[in-house]
Amino acid sequence: KQEVTQIPAALSVPEGENLVLNCSFTDSAIYNLQWFRQDPGKGLTSLLLIQSSQREQTSGRLNASLDKSSGRSTLYIAASQPGDSATYLCAVKEGETSGSRLTFGEGTQLTVNP
Amino acid sequence: DAGVIQSPRHEVTEMGQEVTLRCKPISGHDYLFWYRQTMMRGLELLIYFNNNVPIDDSGMPEDRFSAKMPNASFSTLKIQPSEPRDSAVYFCASSLRAGWWDTQYFGPGTRLTVL
Repeated sequence: KQEVTQIPAALSVPEGENLVLNCSFTDSAIYNLQWFRQDPGKGLTSLLLIQSSQREQTSGRLNASLDKSSGRSTLYIAASQPGDSATYLCAVKEGETSGSRLTFGEGTQLTVNP
Repeated sequence: DAGVIQSPRHEVTEMGQEVTLRCKPISGHDYLFWYRQTMMRGLELLIYFNNNVPIDDSGMPEDRFSAKMPNASFSTLKIQPSEPRDSAVYFCASSLRAGWWDTQYFGPGTRLTVL
C-alpha cells in the first residue's frame, strides 16, 4: 500500500525567505506526482504536476522536483510572501492497476510572517 | 465554468440522522471522486466514478456510507445513520480523463458535524 509522508508538518518563516517542503512515497510505481495548495475552509488547488519520467516542473516562484527512484519530491518556494501561507499537500497518482487513485500526504502547514 | 459545486457547505446533524451530501462536477469531466479529510487521517479517497459507474469503493468506511451518480452532472454521498466519528470535511473532485497529465479539480467541501 502506497504511503506518502510530508516533512515538516508545520513551518513558519519570515517573508522573503526561500524554503523547501519535502515529500516521500514508498512505492515508486507512480504515474505522476502533484503538489496542491489548500487554504483554510477551501478546497485544494493544483500547483504543479510532474510526470513520472520528468525531473522537475516550474511555475513562477515554485519549483517541484521528483526523484522517482528514491521516492522523494521537493517543493521549492522562492522569495516567500505572506500570501503563500497555506497547507501544501503532495499526492501521487499510482500505477494503472489502481486506476485514477491519488494518495495524499498529511500536508505541511506554512506560515509566512510579514 | 463554475468549477465543482458542493452543497451544503456546512451541515450539523444529530447522531442517527441521515445525511446527504451533493456534488455537481465540472461539465464534460469523466471522473468524479469523493474524499474525506480529518485531522487524524488526512485526506482519504472514499469512492470514485468513471462515466457514472462506481469503479473503486474500497475507501468507503462501512455500509452506512453509500454513493450514487445517477447522471453525469450529479452525485450524492449518503450516510445513514450518521455517527460523531463521521464528522469531517467531505470533498468532491472531478477530472477530465485519467491520464498522467490530468489533474483533479476540487470543490470547496462540505463540513459535516455530527453531534
